[in-house]
Amino acid sequence: NAGVMQNPRHLVRRRGQEARLRCSPMKGHSHVYWYRQLPEEGLKFMVYLQKENIIDESGMPKERFSAEFPKEGPSILRIQQVVRGDSAAYFCASSPTARGPWETQYFGPGTRLLVL
Amino acid sequence: DQQVKQNSPSLSVQEGRISILNCDYTNSMFDYFLWYKKYPAEGPTFLISISSIKDKNEDGRFTVFLNKSAKHLSLHIVPSQPGDSAVYFCAASATSGTYKYIFGTGTRLKVLA
Repeated sequence: NAGVMQNPRHLVRRRGQEARLRCSPMKGHSHVYWYRQLPEEGLKFMVYLQKENIIDESGMPKERFSAEFPKEGPSILRIQQVVRGDSAAYFCASSPTARGPWETQYFGPGTRLLVL
Repeated sequence: DQQVKQNSPSLSVQEGRISILNCDYTNSMFDYFLWYKKYPAEGPTFLISISSIKDKNEDGRFTVFLNKSAKHLSLHIVPSQPGDSAVYFCAASATSGTYKYIFGTGTRLKVLA
């Protein structure tokens, strides 16, 4: 009974490169949330997706960031032309449905992105 | 604008004693609250939650209290154990929204043996 899987666990990129972060939700979960944790800060909501749909992207930076959750395969958070300020831990969470906030979100181990 | 605040960045407690972690929120639309525990290099782990229709929820050693009028909640851990040493995040959500969680900045708890 695997939990939320994220890969890679660590990712190093140089400024200007692209970063792709993958998230496989728990079995039976079709709702995915992405959060970012900057050093010494709490987790900040970025985007909420269902299969093939972006439901809420109010926390996504307007440029360079995109997310998808295709019908088949993991959810992908993509950061184009990374800058040093993108260095952070990126966490994915999943829930089985979205009938309410009581549908607990279960988190993956995170991807730690370091931009040199 | 920090809608969920954890004003104590750290807390040290002796093993066996009570740990009390506090959290304040400003948005009156929040009606569901959660506590997560996080170890270094791991993802947050769900601990306990409470709906605004209640003022207390208990699960084993963990109890969460909610004071809606003060917009304040607290997590009590009794008795505290060394394995409880971690960073604790308070989170809030609104049933009227898309159920995203708004997190506080965390409190680092250290339980001394």
